[in-house]
Amino acid sequence: ETGVTQTPRHLVMGMTNKKSLKCEQHLGHNAMYWYKQSAKKPLELMFVYSLEERVENNSVPSRFSPECPNSSHLFLHLHTLQPEDSALYLCASSQELTGSTDTQYFGPGTRLTVL
Amino acid sequence: AQKITQTQPGMFVQEKEAVTLDCTYDTSDPSYGLFWYKQPSSGEMIFLIYQGSYDQQNATEGRYSLNFQKARKSANLVISASQLGDSAMYFCAMSRIRILGSNYKLTFGKGTLLTVNP
Repeated sequence: ETGVTQTPRHLVMGMTNKKSLKCEQHLGHNAMYWYKQSAKKPLELMFVYSLEERVENNSVPSRFSPECPNSSHLFLHLHTLQPEDSALYLCASSQELTGSTDTQYFGPGTRLTVL
Repeated sequence: AQKITQTQPGMFVQEKEAVTLDCTYDTSDPSYGLFWYKQPSSGEMIFLIYQGSYDQQNATEGRYSLNFQKARKSANLVISASQLGDSAMYFCAMSRIRILGSNYKLTFGKGTLLTVNP
C-alpha cells in the first residue's frame, strides 16, 4: 500500500458505543494529524503528533482520544459521541512539523455517523 | 490570525476549457505558504500545488498553475484543459513559515465545487 490509508471508510455508531479510527502512513513521515470536516465548515485541526508525541490538542472534547504508538500509525478512539460529531474525519501526514513546504498528505477519510 | 476566503461556492466549466478558482488570503506573517487541494466525492484530500510567499515565479504542476498576486493577496488556481475527472471540491489553504515553531497549522477556505460538463 502507498500513501495514507484510513479504516474504516464508513462508520455508524450509537451514542453509547466505543469505536476507533485507524490511520496508517506508508510515506516515512514523522508528523501525523487528525482533522474533522463537517458539512459547510472549513477543515478543523484536532490533533497533531510529531515523532509519536502529541504537540497539539486543539480544544477537542475528551470523548475523542488520540493515540500514536509509532510514527506510521495514528488512532482516534471514540466514546459517548454526540450526533453533532457526525463528520468526515481525515488523517494526514507530513515529513516534518516545522517547514511550511512539508506538504500534508491526506488519507481518504472515515465518514462517521452518530445516531 | 490567518484567513482564507473562497468566494465561489460553485463553478461550472466545459470540458477542455480552462477555469480559474479564486482564493484570497489575509495574514500578518511576512512569510507563508499557499496550497491547493482537490477533494473528490470519495473524500480524499489530494494535494495539487504549493506556492511560497517569496517564490519569484508562479507555481505550475502539469495542468495546474497558481496565479499568485502578492500585493492583492490572491492565489488563484488555474486548471487548463478541464477534464471530467476534475469535478470535485477545491480547497485553498495557507500555513506560516517560521524557522522555529508551529508552521504546520493549515488554514483552509470553505472550498469551491467545480463541475466539468461534457
